[in-house]
Amino acid sequence: KAGVTQTPRYLIKTRGQQVTLSCSPISGHRSVSWYQQTPGQGLQFLFEYFSETQRNKGNFPGRFSGRQFSNSRSEMNVSTLELGDSALYLCASSLDKYMNTEAFFGQGTRLTVV
Amino acid sequence: KNQVEQSPQSLIILEGKNCTLQCNYTVSPFSNLRWYKQDTGRGPVSLTIMTFSENTKSNGRYTATLDADTKQSSLHITASQLSDSASYICVVSAMQTGANNLFFGTGTRLTVIP
Repeated sequence: KAGVTQTPRYLIKTRGQQVTLSCSPISGHRSVSWYQQTPGQGLQFLFEYFSETQRNKGNFPGRFSGRQFSNSRSEMNVSTLELGDSALYLCASSLDKYMNTEAFFGQGTRLTVV
Repeated sequence: KNQVEQSPQSLIILEGKNCTLQCNYTVSPFSNLRWYKQDTGRGPVSLTIMTFSENTKSNGRYTATLDADTKQSSLHITASQLSDSASYICVVSAMQTGANNLFFGTGTRLTVIP
């Protein structure tokens, strides 16, 4: 059974550019959530999707957006990149709508903004 | 306010020794508590998940305990190995349907030295 797949693994972008990250959940999982992790910080919740609908959104500026497709794959987009956006971006998938069952994480996308 | 606090922030132990990591939480209503291991630059991997009625759960050399009355959990690592060097993250799931359900601690960074 394939795990959660995130692409790309690494990205280097310059300030002002935009970026799109992809997450393919475990087959059968319809719930996908995204997190930002910076050194010394815990995982910060970005957003959560279930069956193509955004269920919740964290406290991030509008430059951060996401969507989920009918096959449960999800993308997140960051526009007008800032140096502070450099982080490890993780997505997780779960069987149930409310992430109350086990959540499985991808390997993450390491974004560096220069 | 729903919070998860972990201690210590970092820990260095000799290979072969045991150690215990702590997690205190104020999340309510409680659904379950999870421990994850995260290697540097990788996604978190689940070690254990415990519900309200479970006091202890083991996964190889990892044993997690939960005291739902005092809202405390611990992760005990027995006979540590160099490969145990990682961050250990405590995650508490709330039983709620209208908001983000997962609350993350900032992790304990464990370094095992030969």
